Amino acid sequence: QKEVEQNSGPLSVPEGAIASLNCTYSDRGSQSFFWYRQYSGKSPELIMSIYSNGDKEDGRFTAQLNKASQYVSLLIRDSQPSDSATYLCAVINFGNEKLTFGTGTRLTIIP
Amino acid sequence: EPEVTQTPSHQVTQMGQEVILRCVPISNHLYFYWYRQILGQKVEFLVSFYNNEISEKSEIFDDQFSVERPDGSNFTLKIRSTKLEDSAMYFCASTTESAVTQYFGPGTRLTVL
Repeated sequence: QKEVEQNSGPLSVPEGAIASLNCTYSDRGSQSFFWYRQYSGKSPELIMSIYSNGDKEDGRFTAQLNKASQYVSLLIRDSQPSDSATYLCAVINFGNEKLTFGTGTRLTIIP
Repeated sequence: EPEVTQTPSHQVTQMGQEVILRCVPISNHLYFYWYRQILGQKVEFLVSFYNNEISEKSEIFDDQFSVERPDGSNFTLKIRSTKLEDSAMYFCASTTESAVTQYFGPGTRLTVL
């Protein structure tokens, strides 16, 4: 079974601190990696995509990919209350088109 | 900024009835998808559609489900005979090419009574 695993949380982080979200995946053939944010009752909204090993930064967000360890993470700097949401890790495996999602990590930023 | 749109936002139906969920993908996108999310569970892939045919489908996407692109803008998901367990949020997504970012619509909440 090709799975994506996330700690379901909840993860509580003080406002202004760094939130660190982690994800592991089982298929070594995974080629594309995504972090989506989902507010309650809403659809997934893309935060970051990453395709090669290393770090990718976009504003307050940094995605990190380590294919050897089959690990992808998301760091949120200067966390804001509006960052409170469920963060979904998703991958696309080689030869497929579908996104395989993890169960999501619920993040709460404490003012 | 272009967006994926979906109608209706909420559909209530009786068990055994047919429903059609509608999506308008982003206009220059070529790949279209349906996903569903049962309350409290993870987002699950249903089907992908490219060049007017299904390119991949999951085990969930059985004979009760069908997809269609009836014109140049709409992409529909039909459930022929709804079951209680079909109650979920259904998301349409689209993208320009395979294996890159998929953009999601706001979803249709389907409630089967």
